[in-house]
Amino acid sequence: AQTVTQSQPEMSVQEAETVTLSCTYDTSESDYYLFWYKQPPSRQMILVIRQEAYKQQNATENRFSVNFQKAAKSFSLKISDSQLGDAAMYFCAYTINNDMRFGAGTRLTVKP
Amino acid sequence: NAGVTQTPKFRILKIGQSMTLQCTQDMNHNYMYWYRQDPGMGLKLIYYSVGAGITDKGEVPNGYNVSRSTTEDFPLRLELAAPSQTSVYFCASSYAQGWDTGELFFGEGSRLTVL
Repeated sequence: AQTVTQSQPEMSVQEAETVTLSCTYDTSESDYYLFWYKQPPSRQMILVIRQEAYKQQNATENRFSVNFQKAAKSFSLKISDSQLGDAAMYFCAYTINNDMRFGAGTRLTVKP
Repeated sequence: NAGVTQTPKFRILKIGQSMTLQCTQDMNHNYMYWYRQDPGMGLKLIYYSVGAGITDKGEVPNGYNVSRSTTEDFPLRLELAAPSQTSVYFCASSYAQGWDTGELFFGEGSRLTVL
């Protein structure tokens, strides 16, 4: 069973605007890690941002930030001031046992 | 610094053939992983290794074998290829246990088609 759900297969944003990508997950663990990865057309996966579940403060990396709602098991990614280079597939993931589980991805298009 | 290098980038196999996907990293990472990515799906872990001589199964190991004789290399062997193994394969490495830090370094992927 898929344990990471990204409900938006595709999203589009105008350059310089803000977009939010959704992610929900299912785990019975209390301590875990959550991630957003970016996969550009080159296919190489790149870590965008990481959140430790025991930290209440939402992680931020420059234009990228998350909204982590632990009780709701929700982990959305906000991209501010979108740039053409942000166009890519974005994968939400979390750790479980000796594995990292990924969602199916959201394809983000950035319009000039 | 080459990072994680995978070869070949593309390959077409006939049903029943065997092949090895090569993966090498030059970052002296202890942990290495093999994932597969099917169309419209996220990555799924096939095998992983926490150091030379140590390997373990991931979520989808059937039909594959691995070995880790050196820190740098982690080849993935497909025996008796089947159409269900058509996928894009990613090798990754990390210094520490990557599932905590998230700092996995990925290769560019190998697209395999089995006809």
